[in-house]
Amino acid sequence: QSVLTQPPSVSAAPGQKVTISCSGSSSNIGNNYVSWYQQLPGTAPKLLIYDNNKRPSGIPDRFSGSKSGTSATLGITGLQTGDEADYYCGTWDSSLSVSWVFGGGTKLTVL
Amino acid sequence: EVQLVESGGGLVQPGGSLRLSCAASGFTFSSYEMNWVRQAPGKGLEWVSYISSSGSTIYYADSVKGRFTISRDNAKNSLYLQMNSLRAEDTAVYYCAATTSFDYWGQGTLVTVSS
Repeated sequence: QSVLTQPPSVSAAPGQKVTISCSGSSSNIGNNYVSWYQQLPGTAPKLLIYDNNKRPSGIPDRFSGSKSGTSATLGITGLQTGDEADYYCGTWDSSLSVSWVFGGGTKLTVL
Repeated sequence: EVQLVESGGGLVQPGGSLRLSCAASGFTFSSYEMNWVRQAPGKGLEWVSYISSSGSTIYYADSVKGRFTISRDNAKNSLYLQMNSLRAEDTAVYYCAATTSFDYWGQGTLVTVSS
């Protein structure tokens, strides 16, 4: 059971838009920046979004992030078949001891 | 180009030990916080440990506290994870990742704990 809750799967057609939610609490998302990661099959994770809504160099603006209260959202527009991957949210948590927490991951299927 | 290369994984018996290494290049290693993250087969990501740039601040996940030790050698641009009292549930691909936002990741090294 992950501290951050993500839907197990989402799907959409090529060219469409999809959003992936990440729900937490005041000890994590509510008081810390959120990052998002993409993990293509058989590869290491890659940073997509940091500090809630910033994109590293090289990440297309089709990917966006937002945060409100204790929840965060990853948005992907203009879906491509190459976007099929697992997506994870993550942030620091300071409930009992300092730790980093990941969401359980969301499998994106581009139909 | 930033590169993180993990090594040291393999097959070990329950109760055994293993030391993972992560060789860094392409950035000023001594300026960045580092982490270890693992992923059990078919499962999601699990953060394991964090170490500050100087090594003075260290955090561990509860699941490895008391068994694993993170360290770094800034002169050698290297990060380490000493894993003792290994259990079957420690079987995973172990990644090193740089910065507090996990900007850069290695390719991972597989640790299998089995008799």
